[in-house]
Amino acid sequence: AQKITQTQPGMFVQEKEAVTLDCTYDTSDPSYGLFWYKQPSSGEMIFLIYQGSYDQQNATEGRYSLNFQKARKSANLVISASQLGDSAMYFCAIKRGQAGTALIFGKGTTLSVSS
Amino acid sequence: NAGVTQTPKFQVLKTGQSMTLQCAQDMNHNSMYWYRQDPGMGLRLIYYSASEGTTDKGEVPNGYNVSRLNKREFSLRLESAAPSQTSVYFCASNLGPNSVYEQYFGPGTRLTVT
Repeated sequence: AQKITQTQPGMFVQEKEAVTLDCTYDTSDPSYGLFWYKQPSSGEMIFLIYQGSYDQQNATEGRYSLNFQKARKSANLVISASQLGDSAMYFCAIKRGQAGTALIFGKGTTLSVSS
Repeated sequence: NAGVTQTPKFQVLKTGQSMTLQCAQDMNHNSMYWYRQDPGMGLRLIYYSASEGTTDKGEVPNGYNVSRLNKREFSLRLESAAPSQTSVYFCASNLGPNSVYEQYFGPGTRLTVT
């Protein structure tokens, strides 16, 4: 069975600094995908970034990058140059094995950005 | 292009009442999903439909039923609501079971069962 662990309930960072949100995963599938979503206080789920298990390079999308360390089974999200609008809950998720592309989510990390 | 829409946005039910949460997508996606989000628990999969005409249970299906009405619509029914079903419900969709693409989420339905 797949599992996602996010060990940081809350993180604090100042504007313009970089921050890393931790995510470790467990899966027995040789092929899998990892996702990060952002949930602001308004409640919607916003897709940020995706990493496939066979992708050679770490994924990047603007200020977001994914530090993928396959041997350690970690997929940490790095946000560079934090902005006040980055304050939100962040969820790491893994594709749920053979069940289509349903996701298994971690419990999330709350990021607070201060000026 | 509305994406994924859900109705209603808010609902209060009494224990034992029934209701149906509606979800529709206009992106021609094959797969659709229902999740619930409880405080401190992240999102958990209730049911999913990999393609039109199929539905399967997720992690927490008890107390729920679903209908994939057509390619666009996927509804979630609570036959006899319980306080434990107080939660925020999200519908999501994506291209298909073999797709690596992200899921697109609706805005959510906040349900309270008293």
